Amino acid sequence: EVQLVESGGGLVQPGSPLKLSCAASGFTFSSNWLNWIRQAPGKGLEWVASINPDGSSTYYPDTVKGRFVVSKDNAKNTGYLQMNNLRSEDTAMYYCARRAARWDWGQGVMVTVSS
Amino acid sequence: DIVMTQGALPNPVPSGESASITCQSSKSLLHSNGKTYLNWYLQRPGQSPQLLIYWMSTRASGVSDRFSGSGSGTDFTLKISSVEAEDVGVYYCQQFLEYPLTFGSGTKLEIK
Repeated sequence: EVQLVESGGGLVQPGSPLKLSCAASGFTFSSNWLNWIRQAPGKGLEWVASINPDGSSTYYPDTVKGRFVVSKDNAKNTGYLQMNNLRSEDTAMYYCARRAARWDWGQGVMVTVSS
Repeated sequence: DIVMTQGALPNPVPSGESASITCQSSKSLLHSNGKTYLNWYLQRPGQSPQLLIYWMSTRASGVSDRFSGSGSGTDFTLKISSVEAEDVGVYYCQQFLEYPLTFGSGTKLEIK
């Protein structure tokens, strides 16, 4: 069974960094794209990062480019999202999702940016 | 960027009736490999999005056959035949043809 479990969320102050983790199991992690998608409270879904299977290529929307860094450790079956210089508008539930022929999502982790 | 535009439902939908949710993309999602890069999700209250349909019309494993996806390169429909209480939530379409990946704004389904 495919499982993705996010961790590392919490309450941080504006301007602070935070690193999220995504522990994967039930599939060959090294063969899959990993994506991060977020959802602000009461809002829709917004893609924030993608990384290819071997970690050599990454993609970001303009809203987080230069602040967020996605990575993956295929030996540990874990993906990461390093978030720097956090802003109040980054407050959201963050989901990791693998892309194979189909997409599988984790349950999400909440990040709150507030002073 | 590819803009995904979703239609609304005439809520609430009577239990047992069918419901169709539309999604339109600003660019064709049909790839040269013949696949259409469109997903449909259901997000039930308090839960993460659940994949219903991928490649526009392929039902995900474990998903009821009451759900079906269809469409062309830019116009898509998710049909729910005989809606049930467990179908309540927000439905999203997503394109993954190119970056930035984009989602529709969501369509809420309520049951009467």
